[in-house]
Amino acid sequence: NAGVTQTPKFRILKIGQSMTLQCAQDMNHNYMYWYRQDPGMGLKLIYYSVGAGITDKGEVPNGYNVSRSTTEDFPLRLELAAPSQTSVYFCASSNLDSGVIAFFGQGTRLTVV
Amino acid sequence: LAKTTQPISMDSYEGQEVNITCSHNNIATNDYITWYQQFPSQGPRFIIQGYKTKVTNEVASLFIPADRKSSTLSLPRVSLSDTAVYYCLVANTGKLIFGQGTTLQVKP
Repeated sequence: NAGVTQTPKFRILKIGQSMTLQCAQDMNHNYMYWYRQDPGMGLKLIYYSVGAGITDKGEVPNGYNVSRSTTEDFPLRLELAAPSQTSVYFCASSNLDSGVIAFFGQGTRLTVV
Repeated sequence: LAKTTQPISMDSYEGQEVNITCSHNNIATNDYITWYQQFPSQGPRFIIQGYKTKVTNEVASLFIPADRKSSTLSLPRVSLSDTAVYYCLVANTGKLIFGQGTTLQVKP
């Protein structure tokens, strides 16, 4: 059971480039999330999804887009990368059975130069 | 969504019991209280969850008073490997907002 899998683990982008961060979960969870974490800071919610076809903005959605075509996958798209998007990105998933317990991936470290 | 307040940092020594308190004055009736642990360069990991009273598992205990406006994570006999950031969350829906967490430094 792989849990939440993120790819790639590391990436360097040039300013203005675009990329997609991949996230997949095999726990059949309804909820999926994208967070970013800047050095020494807490996690900020970018977008989340309550199920296939449904997404909603979190705390810091500007500069990002998401889609949720299947229960398993929740890709995060960066358009026109900026240095301010240099961060570690975490994907997570959860269900609402007996509370809210989220499972996180290992993260994608993104540097924009 | 209920906002949480935790101490920014705490220091302890190996073998001591550590208690981290989280305030959540606006907690809703259906909110659960959940604690996560995060090591450097890793994603957060679930530690314990509760709704009211006391919950204990193999890692920690969670104390919740009757008014549920605060909660205390108790880590018994900490070791150096417990050095991490600890986050308290309250939620009953899928929108999970993290606060800044408490950085626990365990010293030898």
